[in-house]
Amino acid sequence: DIQMTQSPSSLSASVGDRVTITCRASQSISSYLNWYQQKPGKAPNLLIYGASSSQSGVPSRFSGSGSGTDFTLIISSLQPEDFATYYCQQSYSKGRTFGQGTKVESK
Amino acid sequence: EAQLVESGGGLVQPGGSLRLSCAASGFTFSRYWMSWVRQAPGKGLEWVANIKPDGSEKYYVDSLKGRFTISRDDAKNSLYLHISRLRADDTAMYYCARDWDIAIFGVVPSFDYWGQGTLVTVSS
Repeated sequence: DIQMTQSPSSLSASVGDRVTITCRASQSISSYLNWYQQKPGKAPNLLIYGASSSQSGVPSRFSGSGSGTDFTLIISSLQPEDFATYYCQQSYSKGRTFGQGTKVESK
Repeated sequence: EAQLVESGGGLVQPGGSLRLSCAASGFTFSRYWMSWVRQAPGKGLEWVANIKPDGSEKYYVDSLKGRFTISRDDAKNSLYLHISRLRADDTAMYYCARDWDIAIFGVVPSFDYWGQGTLVTVSS
């Protein structure tokens, strides 16, 4: 199975901060990388697919980049509704895998 | 709009079995791979299994092979997950998610729609 490793596991930030989350794959996955946001008690929500394409309705402050093994999710200016847990997920192999998650908390 | 609704969760004794269901609507179910994803309390997301339209291909996370069986009925727009020999560490919210559209090429597969989840609790 392809392993996905996110960093950091958690971070503290303030409204207006630029937030960067990284995800590394155990082998090259081209651009087969997706990002999700999950709030407590809710199902995950797709933010970014194909490493850098924004899902419809996702605010422009969310952006993704990378290819191969190293990927980044950036929130350009953190908003109150962005405090949540973020997951990367690979779809290069039919057996999908998620990263362990990054919890974004209020400083 | 696409909608997924899971059912079948509940309190089950260790060693028991359970069948979870996911009813799909608002899209052409027979075009999509479908996945099950679970989340133990306070933990991260774990992909469990997926299945091709018509059920001819199935994939499972290595750690769960043998106890979990994914299936589907395209005529009923329904996805299923049968879990046997349940253990305490199977306690989790189980989500179904829409996976890959086989009719579209060149788009990276992603889980663009999710159900609300069904909670499985394994305890005596």
